[in-house]
Amino acid sequence: EDQVTQSPEALRLQEGESSSLNCSYTVSGLRGLFWYRQDPGKGPEFLFTLYSAGEEKEKERLKATLTKKESFLHITAPKPEDSATYLCAVHQTGANNLFFGTGTRLTVIP
Amino acid sequence: EPEVTQTPSHQVTQMGQEVILRCVPISNHLYFYWYRQILGQKVEFLVSFYNNEISEKSEIFDDQFSVERPDGSNFTLKIRSTKLEDSAMYFCASSSSSYLGRGGYTFGSGTRLTVV
Repeated sequence: EDQVTQSPEALRLQEGESSSLNCSYTVSGLRGLFWYRQDPGKGPEFLFTLYSAGEEKEKERLKATLTKKESFLHITAPKPEDSATYLCAVHQTGANNLFFGTGTRLTVIP
Repeated sequence: EPEVTQTPSHQVTQMGQEVILRCVPISNHLYFYWYRQILGQKVEFLVSFYNNEISEKSEIFDDQFSVERPDGSNFTLKIRSTKLEDSAMYFCASSSSSYLGRGGYTFGSGTRLTVV
C-alpha cells in the first residue's frame, strides 16, 4: 500500500536551533516529491520539488534532500516566522494528483 | 503573483442541504483540482478536471459530489446532500501542466465547510 509518513508530528525549536523533518514514502513509482508549507487556516504553499535520489534544493533557511525511501527538510537557524506545518506529498507514476503526509507542525520560539 | 481565489471563506450549512464551493483558478492554467482536509487530518485528493471533464477522482468523490466549469473563469464543487462528515476545509488548486513540474499546484486559501 502506498504511504507517506512524516515525523515528528510536532517539533518545538528555539530560534537558531537547527533541525530536520523527515518524510518516508512507499510508492510504486515516484515522479516527484513535494514540500509545502501550510499556515493555520490557509492553503498549502509550494516550497520544493525533488525528482531523483541525491537531489537537493535550497531556499533561504530551508534545504530539502531526497533518497530512494525518504526526504528530509533541513531548517538552519530557524526564526519564529518559520513556524508552520510542513507537508510532504508524492506524485506517483500514472496519477495526476498528490498524495500527502499528515505533516510536521513546527513551532520556533523566540 | 497570480492567485487561486476561493469563495466563500467559510460556509455553514444544515445536513442534507446542497452547497456549491467556488474557485477562480489562475487564468492560464488548464488543470484544476479539489482537495479537502478534515480538521487535524491530511490533505486528501478529491478530483482533477481537464478539458471540461473529470480526468481522475478518488473514492471520496462519490455521487454526492460534482464539479463544473460553468464559464471561462470559475470552477465549482457541488455537494448535493451534505453530511456531518463533509465538514472540512476544501482547497481548490490549479496547474499549467499535468506534469506537476517546477511548482506543483497553486492552492487557494480554502473554504471551511461546517455541516450542522
